[in-house]
Amino acid sequence: AQKVTQAQTEISVVEKEDVTLDCVYETRDTTYYLFWYKQPPSGELVFLIRRNSFDEQNEISGRYSWNFQKSTSSFNFTITASQVVDSAVYFCALSEAEGGSEKLVFGKGTKLTVNP
Amino acid sequence: NAGVTQTPKFQVLKTGQSMTLQCAQDMNHNSMYWYRQDPGMGLRLIYYSASEGTTDKGEVPNGYNVSRLNKREFSLRLESAAPSQTSVYFCASTGSIWSASLPTPLHFGNGTRLTVT
Repeated sequence: AQKVTQAQTEISVVEKEDVTLDCVYETRDTTYYLFWYKQPPSGELVFLIRRNSFDEQNEISGRYSWNFQKSTSSFNFTITASQVVDSAVYFCALSEAEGGSEKLVFGKGTKLTVNP
Repeated sequence: NAGVTQTPKFQVLKTGQSMTLQCAQDMNHNSMYWYRQDPGMGLRLIYYSASEGTTDKGEVPNGYNVSRLNKREFSLRLESAAPSQTSVYFCASTGSIWSASLPTPLHFGNGTRLTVT
């Protein structure tokens, strides 16, 4: 069965520090899809990134970057020069379904607090 | 652009009462989902509907029923609420159109905070 582990329950950093959120997944399928979502204090869930299992290229979007390594079943998320607005709960998620979104399994989340 | 709309936003029930959580999307999406979020547990799938007319159980379906009323609407019903169903409920939807071998992401509603006393 698919499983997502976010071992870091809470992380606290000072503004401008870099921070990496870890995500380790388990799946028996060779085709799968990985996601990151952000949940700010207001409570809504915001999609950040998606990746399929055949694409191991790292991705950078502004201060955000993602490192996908199939060899270690990890899909880690790094925020460079963190800001107070980055404070949120971040969820990593995995889907094995053909459609990619059915039965999305989430990790338990990492609460990031960025202090001024 | 409303996206995914959930009603109500807040609800307090007494044990044994019933209620229906409503969800509607205006993005012409085929698939819709109900998740619950509990502290320290992440989001867990209750039920989903891959297309109009079909529904399937997720990870935690016990105590719930769903109805895919039409392509836009997907409701979640608690027949006899229990304190263990105190949670934040999220409805989500997604289309079936792929882009560059990537699945379409889930679009979430803003959630319903349910308390059962």
